[in-house]
Amino acid sequence: DAGVIQSPRHEVTEMGQEVTLRCKPISGHNSLFWYRQTMMRGLELLIYFNNNVPIDDSGMPEDRFSAKMPNASFSTLKIQPSEPRDSAVYFCASSPGLAGADTQYFGPGTRLTVL
Amino acid sequence: AQSVTQLGSHVSVSEGALVLLRCNYSSSVPPYLFWYVQYPNQGLQLLLKYTTGATLVKGINGFEAEFKKSETSFHLTKPSAHMSDAAEYFCAVSEGSTNAGKSTFGDGTTLTVKP
Repeated sequence: DAGVIQSPRHEVTEMGQEVTLRCKPISGHNSLFWYRQTMMRGLELLIYFNNNVPIDDSGMPEDRFSAKMPNASFSTLKIQPSEPRDSAVYFCASSPGLAGADTQYFGPGTRLTVL
Repeated sequence: AQSVTQLGSHVSVSEGALVLLRCNYSSSVPPYLFWYVQYPNQGLQLLLKYTTGATLVKGINGFEAEFKKSETSFHLTKPSAHMSDAAEYFCAVSEGSTNAGKSTFGDGTTLTVKP
């Protein structure tokens, strides 16, 4: 399997622009997670889905952030409008399910820079 | 609620020396415990995990960790460090059904290996 695929790998945009990050989970995995990593705040869970349904979005920082999972093989994280403080590495991860023992498989991340 | 504390944000060892990365957890139910490694510009990948059974868990690249319930610890060790072990290491805890597979990650420990 190709693993979790994220695109783009790097994104540079200007403040106020819309940004869309994309993720393709591992085939057969039922759960998908979006994380944000910064030096100041470490690794933060933003939202996660099970069977394409959002389970917990309490980590989404504000209404400017939204995430969708229209089918089992695709998810997006959108920021509109973007701000410089959104600059971070965004990771998508998938797991077989939501059993506590399930391993999360991370993608390579998208490095977002908002100028 | 579950939580993880990694003692020491930076650890430096000489090549060939023992590696010891500390992790303490808090959980209201029997936990599932994980160590992940993150190499520069990559996503996190699983090193090892404890679910049930044997408390000494062996992982990839010669790493192992021991679950000590009485000490609420899950420290990561490797007898002899290699230069290639330089990375950031994350301890994570999951409570399974009570949090539907949601893992809580520690702040990470950066391991430096000196020649």
